[in-house]
Amino acid sequence: DIQMTQSPSTLSASVGDRVTITCRASQSISSWLAWYQQIPGEAPKLLIYKASTLETGVPSRFSGSGSGTEFTLTISSLQPDDFATYYCQQYNTYWTFGQGTKVEMK
Amino acid sequence: QLVESGGGLVHPGGSLRLSCAASGFTVSNNYMTWVRQAPGKGLEWVSILYSGGDTYYADSVKGRFTISKDNSKNTLYLQMSSLRAEDTAVYYCARGSLAGSGNYFDFWGQGTLVTVSS
Repeated sequence: DIQMTQSPSTLSASVGDRVTITCRASQSISSWLAWYQQIPGEAPKLLIYKASTLETGVPSRFSGSGSGTEFTLTISSLQPDDFATYYCQQYNTYWTFGQGTKVEMK
Repeated sequence: QLVESGGGLVHPGGSLRLSCAASGFTVSNNYMTWVRQAPGKGLEWVSILYSGGDTYYADSVKGRFTISKDNSKNTLYLQMSSLRAEDTAVYYCARGSLAGSGNYFDFWGQGTLVTVSS
């Protein structure tokens, strides 16, 4: 099974901050990686697929990069709506999610 | 839109069938999946059903859960049996993307809560 590890687990930030979340795969997944945002009480929302492709309608302040085993999600300027939990997901072999990174207000 | 239903309280060893009614797209043309989230925990993939009928399950539910669909009702199902306390979670159905960049999930329902407890 492919394991996905996100860091940090919790991130404290302020509006306007640049935020970076890292996701590591236990083996190479090429670029078969997606990022989701989940606001408490809501369903996950797709942000990025194929490691770096922005889903339609997602603000351009979100970006993704990486390939192989190391990936990052960057929010260039954190906005009030961005305080949420973010999950990476590999879809190279079946589907596995990272444990999540909660972005909270500093 | 995806609307899940069928969740509730069930005793250990019991059964439950979840439904996911789709609108705005055709279930038969897409691959569909179930993902669950235990209280306060992360996301766990449960099962997937491809448009051609192939199905796959997480090891944690294999042999106990069955995914299916009714094209005439545009609805996805998850039949759950031999339920355990560790199956307690919000169950989300999601649509697989047809964008051609692999099998990820581009639209999710709001979820239905399943609680397994005596």
